Amino acid sequence: DAGVIQSPRHEVTEMGQEVTLRCKPISGHNSLFWYRQTMMRGLELLIYFNNNVPIDDSGMPEDRFSAKMPNASFSTLKIQPSEPRDSAVYFCASSPDRDVIQPQHFGDGTRLSIL
Amino acid sequence: AQKVTQAQTEISVVEKEDVTLDCVYETRDTTYYLFWYKQPPSGELVFLIRRNSFDEQNEISGRYSWNFQKSTSSFNFTITASQVVDSAVYFCALSEAGNNDMRFGAGTRLTVKP
Repeated sequence: DAGVIQSPRHEVTEMGQEVTLRCKPISGHNSLFWYRQTMMRGLELLIYFNNNVPIDDSGMPEDRFSAKMPNASFSTLKIQPSEPRDSAVYFCASSPDRDVIQPQHFGDGTRLSIL
Repeated sequence: AQKVTQAQTEISVVEKEDVTLDCVYETRDTTYYLFWYKQPPSGELVFLIRRNSFDEQNEISGRYSWNFQKSTSSFNFTITASQVVDSAVYFCALSEAGNNDMRFGAGTRLTVKP
């Protein structure tokens, strides 16, 4: 089975530009998570969805960040406008069941650099 | 609020040594889940183990073993006869029941030298 698929693997862009990160969860998984990893703050949960519905977005740092999950097989994390402090590795993860805490399976991450 | 502390920032050992990575957690819930993940230099996060709060049995998987002690709120991870391929950052994480907000510790960077 394919794991969680994220694209792009690397993104370098200038500040002020819009950035869109993409994620395809594992088929059949009901929950999807977006994390950000930085040296200073470690791994932080930004938002998670259950059955395509956002459940908790309290980790989203600012209004510049938005996430959508239009269907069970696709999610986006958008930053507009981007700033250098947004540079980080962004991970998407999915898990099969919200009611019973299951391990989250992570994608390979998107390394984002904002110049 | 849930919290995970990995006090060891970096550990360096020589191949074949045993090494223990510490994890201490805080939670007010009686039902919770603990996890360990491995992040090798390539960057991906690899799930290693999940343990629920009602199962205090220690777990062994090959060279890996985990010691869960509720009395000390610890979930330590031991690698026996370490190998260079074990070099990675290891994260401990906690989820409270009914809450998918998995909180990660800061991670421990393990370097195994040949």
